[in-house]
Amino acid sequence: QITLQESGPTLVKPTQTLSLTCTFSGFSLSTSGVGVGWIRQPPGKALECLAVIYWDDDKRLSPSLISRLSITKDASKNQVVLTLTNVDPGDTATYFCAYRTLISIRGVTPFDFWGQGTLVTVSS
Amino acid sequence: EIVLTQSPGTLSLSPGERATLSCRASQSVRGSSLAWYQQKPGQSPRLLVYSASRRATGVPDRFSGSGSGTDFTLTITRLEPEDFAVYYCHQYFTSPLTFGPGTKLDIK
Repeated sequence: QITLQESGPTLVKPTQTLSLTCTFSGFSLSTSGVGVGWIRQPPGKALECLAVIYWDDDKRLSPSLISRLSITKDASKNQVVLTLTNVDPGDTATYFCAYRTLISIRGVTPFDFWGQGTLVTVSS
Repeated sequence: EIVLTQSPGTLSLSPGERATLSCRASQSVRGSSLAWYQQKPGQSPRLLVYSASRRATGVPDRFSGSGSGTDFTLTITRLEPEDFAVYYCHQYFTSPLTFGPGTKLDIK
């Protein structure tokens, strides 16, 4: 059974750095094809994919945020960490992590399994 | 970046009616790698359809997806009360992965 859980601060001040951790179970980030992504959703707005990291350490970052974003993995701890620097109120959102794979009997998959999300508010 | 446009923005229907939701991509979606999600308030998105037309595990057969290239459709026949939610399309082949702005399906 695949599960993911986001954790991190709920309130961050403008200009600070936001770090969020996704802790997962039911799969390994050492398995070929596996990826974990971060998707955010501002209140009342649409979903936005921020970053995806794959089993081979390939990283795909949103072009609009690439200068402020980083994503890392610790496969031995079953964790993925997203870091967003110099936050502002526009970064207020629910942040989700989610699982996908590039190799399955279905071929490339979308984000199949999602965490429950964590609401981060950027405010002074 | 592949931009996804969804229409209509809001769809007001009654239980038992048929819903047709559209998703248009700014360029061809390779491999028909287009998914549909349902999201209810306070919940994570739920995968309904992948590969444009394949239902995810446990999804009722009143949900069906179709389309290829740049034009995709999610059809919900015989709306149930629990179907009223926001629906997002998502292309997952070309980086950056992108989502549409959503269609809100609400009760008339």
